[in-house]
Amino acid sequence: DAGITQSPRYKITETGRQVTLMCHQTWSHSYMFWYRQDLGHGLRLIYYSAAADITDKGEVPDGYVVSRSKTENFPLTLESATRSQTSVYFCASSESGSSSYNEQFFGPGTRLTVL
Amino acid sequence: AQKITQTQPGMFVQEKEAVTLDCTYDTSDQSYGLFWYKQPSSGEMIFLIYQGSYDEQNATEGRYSLNFQKARKSANLVISASQLGDSAMYFCAIDTGFQKLVFGTGTRLLVSP
Repeated sequence: DAGITQSPRYKITETGRQVTLMCHQTWSHSYMFWYRQDLGHGLRLIYYSAAADITDKGEVPDGYVVSRSKTENFPLTLESATRSQTSVYFCASSESGSSSYNEQFFGPGTRLTVL
Repeated sequence: AQKITQTQPGMFVQEKEAVTLDCTYDTSDQSYGLFWYKQPSSGEMIFLIYQGSYDEQNATEGRYSLNFQKARKSANLVISASQLGDSAMYFCAIDTGFQKLVFGTGTRLLVSP
């Protein structure tokens, strides 16, 4: 399927477990992003990637790890999940990272619950 | 650091009327971009409109327009002729460079028949 997909769509895990959220895009966009959405905070950037093998921290990176070995994939790993990481996670991609107009395309989101 | 403030947690409008959703921003950059996204109850994020800091004209996209007042650092979204399908959360965001968006907390719009 063309576009940007996330898996799983829903995940329930326990405190201390490792969890990986997957993100795949078919547009060959250079930039990819991970956001989390919590009530009262809007969306906050966790990590972003400018290209394969280039990643950098966003606003709330603690407790998360990313990698990007291929342009189309950008997995997000919670190394040891905590209850505070219960959230909805959105992956996004865009063609370029310049400050000119470049729309970010969002995936459908993953709802993660940490018990 | 860049910041977006959306002071209206909820707004109500009747169908076919216009509504303005407020957004103020804080940045020390001269070049920046402002975005509005819609999030319906189904959860996806839908891009609506973009305004660049050097754009002289206010952006328009169909029924959406952006009232950009640079000196006041505001970028309000105007939806004309509201439809029931416009009921959703609306987020304002600023591009902090390399498309790293900072979002506001959102405004929930409810359109009544």
